[in-house]
Amino acid sequence: KQEVTQIPAALSVPEGENLVLNCSFTDSAIYNLQWFRQDPGKGLTSLLLIQSSQREQTSGRLNASLDKSSGRSTLYIAASQPGDSATYLCAVRRAGNNRKLIWGLGTSLAVNP
Amino acid sequence: EAQVTQNPRYLITVTGKKLTVTCSQNMNHEYMSWYRQDPGLGLRQIYYSMNVEVTDKGDVPEGYKVSRKEKRNFPLILESPSPNQTSLYFCASSLSFGRYGYTFGSGTRLTVV
Repeated sequence: KQEVTQIPAALSVPEGENLVLNCSFTDSAIYNLQWFRQDPGKGLTSLLLIQSSQREQTSGRLNASLDKSSGRSTLYIAASQPGDSATYLCAVRRAGNNRKLIWGLGTSLAVNP
Repeated sequence: EAQVTQNPRYLITVTGKKLTVTCSQNMNHEYMSWYRQDPGLGLRQIYYSMNVEVTDKGDVPEGYKVSRKEKRNFPLILESPSPNQTSLYFCASSLSFGRYGYTFGSGTRLTVV
């Protein structure tokens, strides 16, 4: 059974720091993995989608990596800003016939000025 | 602008009074899905639709109905709402099931008293 874990649950950093958010999954048979951002009381915004054949994806100050063999993905945020404060969720899509999305509970990030 | 539109954003209702939450997307996406988000439980899928007239249950379908008569619309119906359906609801769409990322609506915060 696929389980997705995000540690830590909450993180507080000063502005300007480079930081890494972690997403672990128990079954390496995945189709793709997606990182989302959720602002309080709002919808989810897709950040990066990594297919199972890819190792990483980049968008601006964000870089997501995928290591299927170790069951890990990391979201790297460079030069963090207060506007990056949000909850970051990862979702793993299973491979095979049942390509269900399995969600982590998220990491709540606070970037302090 | 490509988007998923949900209405209403906020709704307070009484137990047993039928309600519908609408969801519409303008991206010609085949796949649409409804989620609910609860503290500590994360995102859980209610129903999904692979295409027009094709719907199926997710993880927590009890007490909900959906329909997909047109490609762009995927309403969520609560025939007899109960307090345990108080939650934050999200509609999401994707070009097709599996390979592509999701676009989410802004959410509907439902309170059933």
